[in-house]
Amino acid sequence: AQSVTQPDIHITVSEGASLELRCNYSYGATPYLFWYVQSPGQGLQLLLKYFSGDTLVQGIKGFEAEFKRSQSSFNLRKPSVHWSDAAEYFCAVGGSLQGAQKLVFGQGTRLTINP
Amino acid sequence: DTGVSQNPRHKITKRGQNVTFRCDPISEHNRLYWYRQTLGQGPEFLTYFQNEAQLEKSRLLSDRFSAERPKGSFSTLEIQRTEQGDSAMYLCASSFIVTGADTQYFGPGTRLTVL
Repeated sequence: AQSVTQPDIHITVSEGASLELRCNYSYGATPYLFWYVQSPGQGLQLLLKYFSGDTLVQGIKGFEAEFKRSQSSFNLRKPSVHWSDAAEYFCAVGGSLQGAQKLVFGQGTRLTINP
Repeated sequence: DTGVSQNPRHKITKRGQNVTFRCDPISEHNRLYWYRQTLGQGPEFLTYFQNEAQLEKSRLLSDRFSAERPKGSFSTLEIQRTEQGDSAMYLCASSFIVTGADTQYFGPGTRLTVL
């Protein structure tokens, strides 16, 4: 069965510092991988996605993620965070193994930014 | 492209009442998904439509839940005889797919509180 693990429930970083959010997945074939961000009380906004090809993908708001098949990971990075990046971040895996491309989400990582 | 819209944004109801939520997908998107998100968790898949056909339902979707997409455009999710455990954020997402991978775009959600 598909699963996603985000080991860090809560991370605090200082404004201007670099950021890495971890994501590990379990999937029986080549996965489709996504990072979404959610502000309090809001829906999910797509940051970036990986379907195939270059394993380093660029997204919106200066975020990037690297797909590492050998480690079953898809970590999200940003070189310098801004106060507006404070939010909940969700990693998700999808694919066509079972026909429907429903997404399986991790539990989320809540990001707090110190001024 | 005005994005995915959901109505109402908030719904407070008493236990035992029926509620209905509406989702309007991005124009010309042929897939529509429903997810449920409880506090502190990632979204969980409920069901999805390809055009007007409901192709998969999660085990989470009890008999009290029903979803429709009558003309392949907007969708409704109805919960009958609500229970306190139904309190959650209900998220709708849409995508366009021919073959291969799809990218799901989420609406702002409907937050349901059952008293």
